[in-house]
Amino acid sequence: EPEVTQTPSHQVTQMGQEVILRCVPISNHLYFYWYRQILGQKVEFLVSFYNNEISEKSEIFDDQFSVERPDGSNFTLKIRSTKLEDSAMYFCASGTRDRTYEQYFGPGTRLTVT
Amino acid sequence: RKEVEQDPGPFNVPEGATVAFNCTYSNSASQSFFWYRQDCRKEPKLLMSVYSSGNEDGRFTAQLNRASQYISLLIRDSKLSDSATYLCVSEGNTGFQKLVFGTGTRLLVSP
Repeated sequence: EPEVTQTPSHQVTQMGQEVILRCVPISNHLYFYWYRQILGQKVEFLVSFYNNEISEKSEIFDDQFSVERPDGSNFTLKIRSTKLEDSAMYFCASGTRDRTYEQYFGPGTRLTVT
Repeated sequence: RKEVEQDPGPFNVPEGATVAFNCTYSNSASQSFFWYRQDCRKEPKLLMSVYSSGNEDGRFTAQLNRASQYISLLIRDSKLSDSATYLCVSEGNTGFQKLVFGTGTRLLVSP
């Protein structure tokens, strides 16, 4: 069964450093998303991406964040200058419009900012 | 008002019990709803979509009441492996399928 993959599984970085989180969505999906979950809190939407551009972003997704689909398979989230409060689990998801907007999540990257 | 509201639980039930979770949503324009399951420190896994007519998948039944903006999930014959957090999710009705999550309801099934 196809699945979303993410690397790395855990990333530790110092405050102010740049990080890139990587995702490989399911191959025939056209819609890509990033969500985050701070420990003990709910899953929050960050950004959606379709047709090589951002289609929607939340207020969390400020100028420090960017997304890219550099080739036909990868989808990345970059945080330019990490803050302590960026520590969270970051989930990539992908979906199609074929099945009532169902989205499938990757295993996540745990980002720890020290 | 929270966009998606759930009782956080935990619900402690014995194996074989039937348990029901409820959820309310505030955006009356939302069109699609889902139940996801999340194990500790893992990703949300899609359990089922929720349709107006209600839908059933094995031991799981989901119902949607648009008039009351209310969604439910019924689990029959609970198994130990059903222990997890159940996330009620609505589509954000912005055209790009942003999902809006509730905080989740924790279920603990004991022998």
